[in-house]
Amino acid sequence: AQSVTQLGSHVSVSEGALVLLRCNYSSSVPPYLFWYVQYPNQGLQLLLKYTSAATLVKGINGFEAEFKKSETSFHLTKPSAHMRDAAEYFCAVSDMWSGGSNYKLTFGKGTLLTVNP
Amino acid sequence: DVKVTQSSRYLVKRTGEKVFLECVQDMDHENMFWYRQDPGLGLRLIYFSYDVKMKEKGDIPEGYSVSREKKERFSLILESASTNQTSMYLCASSLVLADQETQYFGPGTRLLVL
Repeated sequence: AQSVTQLGSHVSVSEGALVLLRCNYSSSVPPYLFWYVQYPNQGLQLLLKYTSAATLVKGINGFEAEFKKSETSFHLTKPSAHMRDAAEYFCAVSDMWSGGSNYKLTFGKGTLLTVNP
Repeated sequence: DVKVTQSSRYLVKRTGEKVFLECVQDMDHENMFWYRQDPGLGLRLIYFSYDVKMKEKGDIPEGYSVSREKKERFSLILESASTNQTSMYLCASSLVLADQETQYFGPGTRLLVL
């Protein structure tokens, strides 16, 4: 089974500073990788996904992530944090369900991003 | 836009009660999922369904069952609620397209079992 490790359960940055949220995965086959964001009292929203087309993936709200196979990483970055970016972020990896071609996701434990004024 | 709705945002139940959590999606997706979310544990998959009347156990199915009688609706059932089932429950649906599955989530149901 695949797994995801998010380094740092809580990251705090100042407004305008670089955001870096770390995600490492384990997989025996090329994975599909996802970042989701959860704002307070809401469900999860897809930020971006990697599906082997390009190693640098751009998502919504100015976020991007780079797939590095040699490091088994898929870190999420944003050049300049905004107050509205305060949320919890989840990295996820696809996991082949043994029953066929359908996939299910394995999620990391999440990183809470705080943005200070 | 894909819409996934859950029947309740907040729910308070007593130990031993039978609890139904309903989820409806309006995009004709084949796959539907139930997760629970707990602080420090992330999302854990309870059950999923890839077709009407089909279901598969996820990582933590104990104490739960599911029902999918119609494609758009996926129900999570707690046969006899216990305090350790107090949690946030998230439903999701997905359309598998060339192996690039994106899951779309509902707003969640926060369940408190007293």
